[in-house]
Amino acid sequence: AQKVTQAQTEISVVEKEDVTLDCVYETRDTTYYLFWYKQPPSGELVFLIRRNSFDEQNEISGRYSWNFQKSTSSFNFTITASQVVDSAVYFCALAGSSASKIIFGSGTRLSIRP
Amino acid sequence: DSGVTQTPKHLITATGQRVTLRCSPRSGDLSVYWYQQSLDQGLQFLIHYYNGEERAKGNILERFSAQQFPDLHSELNLSSLELGDSALYFCASSVAGGRGDYGYTFGSGTRLTVV
Repeated sequence: AQKVTQAQTEISVVEKEDVTLDCVYETRDTTYYLFWYKQPPSGELVFLIRRNSFDEQNEISGRYSWNFQKSTSSFNFTITASQVVDSAVYFCALAGSSASKIIFGSGTRLSIRP
Repeated sequence: DSGVTQTPKHLITATGQRVTLRCSPRSGDLSVYWYQQSLDQGLQFLIHYYNGEERAKGNILERFSAQQFPDLHSELNLSSLELGDSALYFCASSVAGGRGDYGYTFGSGTRLTVV
């Protein structure tokens, strides 16, 4: 069975601090895809990144970076120099090669205090 | 604008009623997925259609049904509504039949409130 675990239910930091959101996944597929989505207070799901299981290179996009480690089945997300606009619920998700759906973790609510 | 259109954005209805939620996928996408996001259950997969055919079912209640039409838009029908059906319903689309390499694009959701 496939599973995504986001153990951090809520995180609150002061603006400009760095923050890392953890994601641990389980799958028996050798080919799979990992995602991060952001859900701001307005409710929509905003795609942030997709990573396939064969690409373990870390990725950086502005203040955002992602660390994919197959050895620990983790796909962590770091926001550097956080801003109030980063306040949202962040979801990690997994899609297998044969699965006809994307499975979400329970989400981490991130609050950035001014 | 993600390119996935969901209507209506908000819906308030009474228990026992029936509603239809509509989703138009991104141009060129053949797959449509429906998800339910409630406070206590998170984002739950309901059903997947690919080019008009049902491909997978998740935790979808028997009171709920869906279809995908020849023009590829999809409708999610919810009947005999209960208070617990109040949730945000998302539609997502992708090019292929479920392979994650093509990604999933989500609409802005329909917020259903059952009173």
